[in-house]
Amino acid sequence: QVQLQQWGAGLLKPSETLSLTCAVYGGSFSGYFWSWIRQAPGKGLEWIGEINHSGSANYNPSLKSRFTISIDTSKNQFSLRLSSVTAADAAVYYCARKDILTGPDYWGQGTLVTVSS
Amino acid sequence: DVVMTQSPLSLPVTLGQPASISCRSSQSLLHSNGNTYLSWFQQRPGHSPRRLIYKVSNRDSGVPDRFSGSGSGTDFTLKISRVEAEDVGLYFCMQGTHWPYTFGQGTKLEIK
Repeated sequence: QVQLQQWGAGLLKPSETLSLTCAVYGGSFSGYFWSWIRQAPGKGLEWIGEINHSGSANYNPSLKSRFTISIDTSKNQFSLRLSSVTAADAAVYYCARKDILTGPDYWGQGTLVTVSS
Repeated sequence: DVVMTQSPLSLPVTLGQPASISCRSSQSLLHSNGNTYLSWFQQRPGHSPRRLIYKVSNRDSGVPDRFSGSGSGTDFTLKISRVEAEDVGLYFCMQGTHWPYTFGQGTKLEIK
């Protein structure tokens, strides 16, 4: 059974850097895109970006390239970094596996990120 | 970006009765490879999203057969044949045809 377990700091001050990591247990690490999605309070879900096992990443153009997604295949982990957070970045952040043939199937448990001075 | 519009946003349903959620996209979701990448997710309170349906009408493993998906082009529907108490939660559609992938705003299903 595939499981995604994520962690990272949940309380940040404005201008700090958000850093989240997602570990994948079970299943193959190659052949999928590993994704980050966020859900702001009272808003819908927003696809941030994705990366494959070769390190090729795609980002949502609407998010102005503030995000960096990286991958560590030796640990079956991938990460998200967001520099200079603002209150607008407060959200629940999810990692997810995207099956190339069917779309996103497995999700992490989510990390609530709060931005407050 | 492709805009996904769901209706209704709130859906009160009596136990045992059917329910239907509509999802419309601002562009056709038919991919050049012939597939239509429209998925449906359920999010129970306090939980991560769980995929129910992929590529319009394919049920994920373990999903009860009372859930079904249909549609084509820009118009899609999720149906629950007989609502059970465990179906309470948020339902949203997602398109994976056009980058960036986008989601509907969600439909909150509750029991009357």
